[in-house]
Amino acid sequence: NAGVTQTPKFQVLKTGQSMTLQCAQDMNHEYMSWYRQDPGMGLRLIHYSVGAGITDQGEVPNGYNVSRSTTEDFPLRLLSAAPSQTSVYFCASSYSTGGAYGYTFGSGTRLTVV
Amino acid sequence: EDQVTQSPEALRLQEGESSSLNCSYTVSGLRGLFWYRQDPGKGPEFLFTLYSAGEEKEKERLKATLTKKESFLHITAPKPEDSATYLCAVQVAGTALIFGKGTTLSVSS
Repeated sequence: NAGVTQTPKFQVLKTGQSMTLQCAQDMNHEYMSWYRQDPGMGLRLIHYSVGAGITDQGEVPNGYNVSRSTTEDFPLRLLSAAPSQTSVYFCASSYSTGGAYGYTFGSGTRLTVV
Repeated sequence: EDQVTQSPEALRLQEGESSSLNCSYTVSGLRGLFWYRQDPGKGPEFLFTLYSAGEEKEKERLKATLTKKESFLHITAPKPEDSATYLCAVQVAGTALIFGKGTTLSVSS
């Protein structure tokens, strides 16, 4: 049981490049979400999904795109990377949007945009 | 606007010196309050969920309590391995979790 797997762990992009951060979970969780964590800002929600084919925006969605074609996978796409998107990105999943068991987080992707 | 504020930002304790971390919240319609532990370079790890005022949860040296305006994470006789950042989050109806900025705890032997 691997939990939530994020790839890559580290990435350096040039301004304007695009890329996809991968997130996969093997717990059959319906709810998945993406957060970014910046120093002094805490975790902020980017996008989330309550099931395959259903996605919605969080607090800071601009510059990011998501889709959910399967229960297991929830990739995050950066359309045209900007230095302001330098951050640590976490994917999380859960049986529901809150729940008694909380969220299971991946180990994160550290992204630097130069 | 829904807000979660954690204090202090940082806390240094000696091994065995008990203390408490605070999480105050201003939200409309609290569905649940969550505590997480985060070690450097890792994702947050779920600790507790609290749903209603007066509720308490315990796990080893940690005890979480909830009132109508705040939650406390009490750490009894901490050990160096308890050093981490502790995150508080709230769930409001119809949204995902809203996180505080965290309290970084350092326990020295």
